[in-house]
Parts: sequence; C-alpha cells; structure tokens
Amino acid sequence: AQSVSQHNHHVILSEAASLELGCNYSYGGTVNLFWYVQYPGQHLQLLLKYFSGDPLVKGIKGFEAEFIKSKFSFNLRKPSVQWSDTAEYFCAVNLKTSYDKVIFGPGTSLSVIP
Amino acid sequence: EPEVTQTPSHQVTQMGQEVILRCVPISNHLYFYWYRQILGQKVEFLVSFYNNEISEKSEIFDDQFSVERPDGSNFTLKIRSTKLEDSAMYFCASNLDRGHQPQHFGDGTRLSIL
Repeated sequence: AQSVSQHNHHVILSEAASLELGCNYSYGGTVNLFWYVQYPGQHLQLLLKYFSGDPLVKGIKGFEAEFIKSKFSFNLRKPSVQWSDTAEYFCAVNLKTSYDKVIFGPGTSLSVIP
Repeated sequence: EPEVTQTPSHQVTQMGQEVILRCVPISNHLYFYWYRQILGQKVEFLVSFYNNEISEKSEIFDDQFSVERPDGSNFTLKIRSTKLEDSAMYFCASNLDRGHQPQHFGDGTRLSIL
C-alpha cells in the first residue's frame, strides 16, 4: 500500500535556525507532491507543490522543497525559521493514477522558540 | 482568495444519532472530497465526488457514510448512526483540476461523539 513517512514527529528550533523536514513516500509510479501546513486552530494550507519540471520548488513564506526521485523523497527546507512558523507540517502525495486521493504523512510538529 | 467553508466548526452528538456535516466548496470547483483526522493521527482520505457521484472511496467510508451535493453550492457528509470512533476532525476539500491543481481544504468540523 502507498504510504508517506515523515522523519520527525516533533522538532524544536530556535528562531533563525535552519529547518529541514524529511518526507519519503513508497510508490514507484508518477506522483504529485505537496507540503501542507496547519497553524494552531486553522485549516490546512498549501505551502508548496510539485507536479513536474524543476525538482526544486519554492513555496510561500520562504519555504522550498526538493524532489529526489531516486530517493522517493520530498524534503522541506527553510534557511531561517521564525516563531510564526510554529505549526504542524504535513507531507502529502497524490498518485497520478488516482488523482482524487491525497495520502498524507503523519505530520511533524514544529515548535520555534523565540 | 476564495475559501472552502465548513459548518459547524464543532458538532457534539450522542452515539447512535445521525449527523450531517456541511461544506461549501470553492464556487467553480468540480471535485469534492472528505478527509478525517482522528486526534493524534494523520489525515485520512474518505471519499471523492465528481459529477454527482462518488469517484473513489476508502475502506473507512462504509455504509454508515454518505455524501450528497443537494444543490449547486453545498457538499454534505452524513453519518447515519454515529459511533464513538467517529469522533474526529472532518475536512472538506475541493479542486478545479485534479490532475494539475492541489486540493483546497476547509477549516474542518470537529465531531465529538458522546
């Protein structure tokens, strides 16, 4: 069965530290890839997406992610985090053979300490 | 930016009762989805809906669940006889072009079964 794993359950960083959240998926076919963020008390918001083309994608709020097909990975990065980045981050995969179903990872809770 | 809206934000229901969760997708979107997130677990796909019929459903979406688009704007999820384990956050999502666009999520409805 297809699945998405995220390397860390909870990450704690100080402001200005660099962030990398790992994400791997288990599917050999063509995929669309997403990172969603959920701020406390708010809905899921799209941070960035990869459908095709340049494997390095830039999203909102200074986030970027790199798709490495050979490693089945789509890691999220930000060079300098802010307190306002405190949130739950979800990696997600959308299979091109099943456009409807988005498969989410378990989420990584990021706490940024001022 | 247009949003997916869900009502109510919190629903408390006695076990065995029927509950209807309501969603208003983004107006020009064609594909509609329900997901749920049990507390502390990952977001799980329930069902997708297109052209007035279910296009895909997960094993979670059993006979107790149904979806409907009763008019041109609402998209509802009905649980016929709720169980304690139905307690979760339910997210509605919509999409204009499922192969090339990400799904847009609502704020969610927290369903508490007593």
